[in-house]
Amino acid sequence: SAVISQKPSRDICQRGTSLTIQCQVDSQVTMMFWYRQQPGQSLTLIATANQGSEATYESGFVIDKFPISRPNLTFSTLTVSNMSPEDSSIYLCSVDSASGGFDYNEQFFGPGTRLTVL
Amino acid sequence: EDQVTQSPEALRLQEGESSSLNCSYTVSGLRGLFWYRQDPGKGPEFLFTLYSAGEEKEKERLKATLTKKESFLHITAPKPEDSATYLCAVRVTQGGSEKLVFGKGTKLTVNP
Repeated sequence: SAVISQKPSRDICQRGTSLTIQCQVDSQVTMMFWYRQQPGQSLTLIATANQGSEATYESGFVIDKFPISRPNLTFSTLTVSNMSPEDSSIYLCSVDSASGGFDYNEQFFGPGTRLTVL
Repeated sequence: EDQVTQSPEALRLQEGESSSLNCSYTVSGLRGLFWYRQDPGKGPEFLFTLYSAGEEKEKERLKATLTKKESFLHITAPKPEDSATYLCAVRVTQGGSEKLVFGKGTKLTVNP
């Protein structure tokens, strides 16, 4: 299985500021995903980040608010821009095993970043 | 619209008391159903993938089954360490790409 680490693990930020979350994988993967998990809600896909191309955003999420970088096959960042209290959530990075040479169709998740916006 | 509904929202069991969690889904093109376990403060941990109706998979005290409309996660003789939130997700094709659609989860508490 893939080992995924995220930084920071948690942060408390002021309204109007931005936070960049890092995701590091211990193996090369083509596809990386960013999810949001709000209290009492299901995990929601924000965007898919493929190395070498622009990220693909889901309905309700825009690049200006959640810019993503994918500089290589083991690393990605998600920035939460101009934050408001509604952005308080857990943000999770995920990789698809099908693109990393593992058993087909498992999807692994990082430990998450707990963000609180005051 | 692709939807996943999990029930119950919360379940409290005594150690050794077997039960089942339900995941019902409405999707246009199922490409697999996934079960995850999530402990507080951690990311989801992969448990099972099921692809077709009638398929079953087991891991220790857990057994997952799949029909055309729902999946069950059976927990046999649970222990306190089985306490966690169990998430169900379906893999679907939307807009030419595949994605996971998650339910809200069932929070399981097993009392000693």
